Amino acid sequence: GENVEQHPSTLSVQEGDSAVIKCTYSDSASNYFPWYKQELGKGPQLIIDIRSNVGEKKDQRIAVTLNKTAKHFSLHITETQPEDSAVYFCAPNSGGSNYKLTFGKGTLLTVNP
Amino acid sequence: NAGVTQTPKFQVLKTGQSMTLQCAQDMNHNSMYWYRQDPGMGLRLIYYSASEGTTDKGEVPNGYNVSRLNKREFSLRLESAAPSQTSVYFCASSLNYNEQFFGPGTRLTVL
Repeated sequence: GENVEQHPSTLSVQEGDSAVIKCTYSDSASNYFPWYKQELGKGPQLIIDIRSNVGEKKDQRIAVTLNKTAKHFSLHITETQPEDSAVYFCAPNSGGSNYKLTFGKGTLLTVNP
Repeated sequence: NAGVTQTPKFQVLKTGQSMTLQCAQDMNHNSMYWYRQDPGMGLRLIYYSASEGTTDKGEVPNGYNVSRLNKREFSLRLESAAPSQTSVYFCASSLNYNEQFFGPGTRLTVL
């Protein structure tokens, strides 16, 4: 099955700084690469995703970059704000499936005011 | 739209008891999923239903059964609860091609 690793497991930054979280995966058939944000006591929410025919995607302060050759993709958050504090998960699809996502173990991001 | 709703929000069971977790979505999505979340483990897929009338096992199906009652509803049943099933359970749904919307979760404790 898919092996997914996220780094770092915790990240603490000052407000206004940038944050980068990296996700490595093992399944070369994966072609969908999302990032989810989970706030305390809530379900995960999709914040950005990318497909394998694109190398980078931006949405305001958030971006995702993909390196399919090296099998990793990264979440970039610029100008961080306290409300960005949450747990972030990468979840590449398994075997190119339209249904099965394999979640990483999560990164706890803390933005200090 | 309420999105994805789950009941109950909290539940405490004794070992060996049974229960059903309910999930419903009002977004006319085709696919529905059940995950469990344990500390430090991320989310793991228990079962999913790609479309009404079909169900398939995920990564950790042992000890669980599911029913896709109709397009809106997907239930998860624990026939004989065990302490190892203490977890937070999330239901999710999707229309097409991977993007999944999650419910608020059910926190289950098995004593």
